Amino acid sequence: EVQLVESGGGLAKPGGSLRLSCVASGSGFSFSKDWMTWVRQGPGRGLEWVGRLKSSGSTDYAAPVKGRFTISRDDSKNTVYLQMNSLRSDDTAVYYCTMGYSDSAGSYHGDEAFDIWGRGTMVLVSS
Amino acid sequence: QSALTQPPSASGSPGQSVTISCTGTSTDIGGYNYVSWYQQLPGKAPKLMIYAVNKRPSGVPDRFSGSKSGNTASLTVSGLQAEDEADYYCSSYAGSVNILLFGGGTKVTVL
Repeated sequence: EVQLVESGGGLAKPGGSLRLSCVASGSGFSFSKDWMTWVRQGPGRGLEWVGRLKSSGSTDYAAPVKGRFTISRDDSKNTVYLQMNSLRSDDTAVYYCTMGYSDSAGSYHGDEAFDIWGRGTMVLVSS
Repeated sequence: QSALTQPPSASGSPGQSVTISCTGTSTDIGGYNYVSWYQQLPGKAPKLMIYAVNKRPSGVPDRFSGSKSGNTASLTVSGLQAEDEADYYCSSYAGSVNILLFGGGTKVTVL
């Protein structure tokens, strides 16, 4: 079973930066082939898709973070990163990393279904 | 691209059914069969309950079912149990802008 563990959250000032990490461990997966997605949840709010990194290396981002956040990976460390720059107060949230779902028929749903989630790491942006 | 629209709350008595709607547009829900539903218990990470509109991952009870009509998707929980009390979120792929959208969430209360 695959496990994801996020780290790197904490307090940052508006305009500052943070880098989150997400390490995958366990068996039965090939990290380099998985699409990794970041989802965040503001205090008392719903889920918000932040962005994804495909196995090809291509990335997509939600409009509120585009140009400020960057997702990257180090396959040798089974780790995906979320570099967050120019932080704003509305970036305050729990940040989850997730992996795309492979169903029993062998279809991969990296774009739109996530069955493995980390426990999340809290980011607080405040002066 | 706006978030998908869900009712903020829904409720039912044990054994009853509850249906949650999720409304989008022709560029997301209506355009793709890539709707998923997640259950989130307080303080926990979301759990995938339905994918590809109406498919259940292994281990998810068949009391949970999904459907779609036009730009609206639905999650039905039949035979409600106390353990089903949670927040439920829908999501849909929005291919025109290659992003994923979530709904605002629905809090299900078992009376």
